Amino acid sequence: DGGITQSPKYLFRKEGQNVTLSCEQNLNHDAMYWYRQDPGQGLRLIYYSQIVNDFQKGDIAEGYSVSREKKESFPLTVTSAQKNPTAFYLCASSSRAGLYNEQFFGPGTRLTVL
Amino acid sequence: GQQLNQSPQSMFIQEGEDVSMNCTSSSIFNTWLWYKQDPGEGPVLLIALYKAGELTSNGRLTAQFGITRKDSFLNISASIPSDVGIYFCAGQGVTSGTYKYIFGTGTRLKVLA
Repeated sequence: DGGITQSPKYLFRKEGQNVTLSCEQNLNHDAMYWYRQDPGQGLRLIYYSQIVNDFQKGDIAEGYSVSREKKESFPLTVTSAQKNPTAFYLCASSSRAGLYNEQFFGPGTRLTVL
Repeated sequence: GQQLNQSPQSMFIQEGEDVSMNCTSSSIFNTWLWYKQDPGEGPVLLIALYKAGELTSNGRLTAQFGITRKDSFLNISASIPSDVGIYFCAGQGVTSGTYKYIFGTGTRLKVLA
């Protein structure tokens, strides 16, 4: 089955710790995205990558880091510098960046900081 | 960041009724997407619209790309209990940056059997 997988589904972190969220896709898509979802708000873009070995900051990149070493993988690290990391994190991909490209989402990871 | 205005925020309807919701923006868009999200899950793409005035259906769902290119509408006919969830719109255009979508805050739909 083609699709986007995210792991883990639930993640608990102590304050001061970095954690890495996994995102893998087998759709052969060039572009990948990370979003944060908070109650009552629209999805906010954290980082995006248009192609392997390239990524750009989105609207709320502070306290987050990413890498794109392989086409199918786009892990997100939530660092201790992120002041309010508890949220639902969604990874998405599209065949390529640019106009007229649909975005498809993974199942999400819920991160809770204890 | 910029967000879309999506309305209504929530709605309770009886099973079998039709549902209408919309998104409006101050910017012109080239693409509108509509998603459904169940609690604790990722959004699932329902309909994609690429042209002003376009009307596209997916089963009981019908969406329209507004003529002004600043709005979009989603209708669900003959609602059933599994239609429960949050419906999101997303718009993409030159003013939003060619690489990213702007998302609405969602319409929460509850269907009473």
